[in-house]
Amino acid sequence: NAGVTQTPKFRVLKTGQSMTLLCAQDMNHEYMYWYRQDPGMGLRLIHYSVGEGTTAKGEVPDGYNVSRLKKQNFLLGLESAAPSQTSVYFCASITQQGKAFFGQGTRLTVV
Amino acid sequence: AQSVAQPEDQVNVAEGNPLTVKCTYSVSGNPYLFWYVQYPNRGLQFLLKYITGDNLVKGSYGFEAEFNKSQTSFHLKKPSALVSDSALYFCAVRDRGGAGANNLFFGTGTRLTVIP
Repeated sequence: NAGVTQTPKFRVLKTGQSMTLLCAQDMNHEYMYWYRQDPGMGLRLIHYSVGEGTTAKGEVPDGYNVSRLKKQNFLLGLESAAPSQTSVYFCASITQQGKAFFGQGTRLTVV
Repeated sequence: AQSVAQPEDQVNVAEGNPLTVKCTYSVSGNPYLFWYVQYPNRGLQFLLKYITGDNLVKGSYGFEAEFNKSQTSFHLKKPSALVSDSALYFCAVRDRGGAGANNLFFGTGTRLTVIP
């Protein structure tokens, strides 16, 4: 049982480049979330999904897009990366009551 | 709107002493409350939750938390701290209903250092 798997673990992008972060869960959860973690700011919700084919904006959605084509996968896209998007990104798969299972994180640097 | 406050960025405690990490919350309805721990270069790990029932909730690694509805608090406690408890702790809240029911909001985190 792998839980939540994020790929890649590290990435360096140049300003303006695009990339996709993949999150996969094997717990059959409906809810999946993408957060970013920055020093002194805790975790901030970017986008989330309450089921296959659905997505919604969180607290800081600008500059990101998401897709949930399959229940087990939740993709986070950066169309044109900016230095302000340098962060550690965490995916979480969440039960109905809100208990979250987190991936190991993706450390992204935009130069 | 939901929010979570962790008023202390840093808590230092001597090994063997009791520890408390504070958390207050704001929701429009009744909350689900959580504590998570993060070790260096790792994702967050679940410690404990309050859904309903007893106000004192027991969780992993000897931690417990007390739900106080009148003070809207959910402080994390442990009777005797270990050096291995040193980590970053996050409080989180989820509203049971209303527009924010699907959101899980986190506090800014409290770094706990247990001094040998």
